[in-house]
Amino acid sequence: GAVVSQHPSWVICKSGTSVKIECRSLDFQATTMFWYRQFPKQSLMLMATSNEGSKATYEQGVEKDKFLINHASLTLSTLTVTSAHPEDSSFYICSALRTVDYYEQYFGPGTRLTVT
Amino acid sequence: AQKVTQAQTEISVVEKEDVTLDCVYETRDTTYYLFWYKQPPSGELVFLIRRNSFDEQNEISGRYSWNFQKSTSSFNFTITASQVVDSAVYFCALKPSRGSTLGRLYFGRGTQLTVWP
Repeated sequence: GAVVSQHPSWVICKSGTSVKIECRSLDFQATTMFWYRQFPKQSLMLMATSNEGSKATYEQGVEKDKFLINHASLTLSTLTVTSAHPEDSSFYICSALRTVDYYEQYFGPGTRLTVT
Repeated sequence: AQKVTQAQTEISVVEKEDVTLDCVYETRDTTYYLFWYKQPPSGELVFLIRRNSFDEQNEISGRYSWNFQKSTSSFNFTITASQVVDSAVYFCALKPSRGSTLGRLYFGRGTQLTVWP
């Protein structure tokens, strides 16, 4: 149980275009999901906390207008990278918070974004 | 402040050697959880262990063992008789019981373990 999926697993886009990444909790409901960004050989950096039915909470230094987060249902959160640039190329990981036990995060497999 | 320090950036060992990955944490919370995750080259985080701050018993799972010492704020991870498949990045993480976001994790920077045949 407690499976989280991400789609797509990898994506290549041209500079200036927008890319949407989906995060789904497959077998539980998640009012809270987290979005992370990971550069090569670095740790996971929390970008934002996504709350179902309300605005996301962004970490300091993360541009909310560039990284649009929508958490429209209890099983789906989306991250849209708007007007992507090569420096946005990274590994994006989402997690869903399961509150029934330990308030634990379950991680998706990640999405590798390459902007050319 | 919540902080996790993994001082070892990279470790290389030869197969069958034992290896210990260090993790030191900082928190003012009296109740918290500590975690270890494995991130293989595929990128997907694999949960290894969760430890409650009130449970200082060491744990062993196969070749893996964990040593939790509140007195030194450490939660070290040992792999016995390492194998090539153990090659990955290992993250230690802290989840405090309080804070504006329940369930938030604070990650260390990770330790890249390479096991050579």
